Amino acid sequence: GENVEQHPSTLSVQEGDSAVIKCTYSDSASNYFPWYKQELGKGPQLIIDIRSNVGEKKDQRIAVTLNKTAKHFSLHITETQPEDSAVYFCAASILSGGSYIPTFGRGTSLIVHP
Amino acid sequence: EAGVVQSPRYKIIEKKQPVAFWCNPISGHNTLYWYRQNLGQGPELLIRYENEEAVDDSQLPKDRFSAERLKGVDSTLKIQPAELGDSAVYLCASSSLGLQETQYFGPGTRLLVL
Repeated sequence: GENVEQHPSTLSVQEGDSAVIKCTYSDSASNYFPWYKQELGKGPQLIIDIRSNVGEKKDQRIAVTLNKTAKHFSLHITETQPEDSAVYFCAASILSGGSYIPTFGRGTSLIVHP
Repeated sequence: EAGVVQSPRYKIIEKKQPVAFWCNPISGHNTLYWYRQNLGQGPELLIRYENEEAVDDSQLPKDRFSAERLKGVDSTLKIQPAELGDSAVYLCASSSLGLQETQYFGPGTRLLVL
């Protein structure tokens, strides 16, 4: 099955700095890569996603890049703010029976210091 | 639009007791997922429903776990009997046919087995 590695497990930055989280996956059949933000006591919330036919996608301060050949993808957050502090999960998804089945990484705890 | 609703939010039980979790997906979403999230890890899929049919339950420990989605809307996940290792957050998610790749998560039920 799919295996997703996520690094770092913890990331501490100063407000205004950039943050980068990296993930690798093992199954070349994965073709959809969502990123989720999970705040304490809440469920994961989708913040950005990318499909395998796209190399980069940007949404305001958040961007994701994908290298299918190397099987790795990254999340970039610019101009970080304290409210960005949360746990971030990457996932690699395979289409199965009409739905995408994600395999999640172990998460990155992002701490943004004011 | 209301999000995915789960109840209870918290549950503390003694080992060997039964427990049940309830999920109401977003209106119109035909696909429903149950995940288990252990502390410090990403969600792991337990079972997926397309309408009332369980199409992927390969990761569900069938000796003690069961699930149902009788009318293709609400779903219940049950554990009987619970073991200490079942302590985790149980997340429900749903997605629609039109946007099959986007899963919307509920807040989860935090289970503690003593």
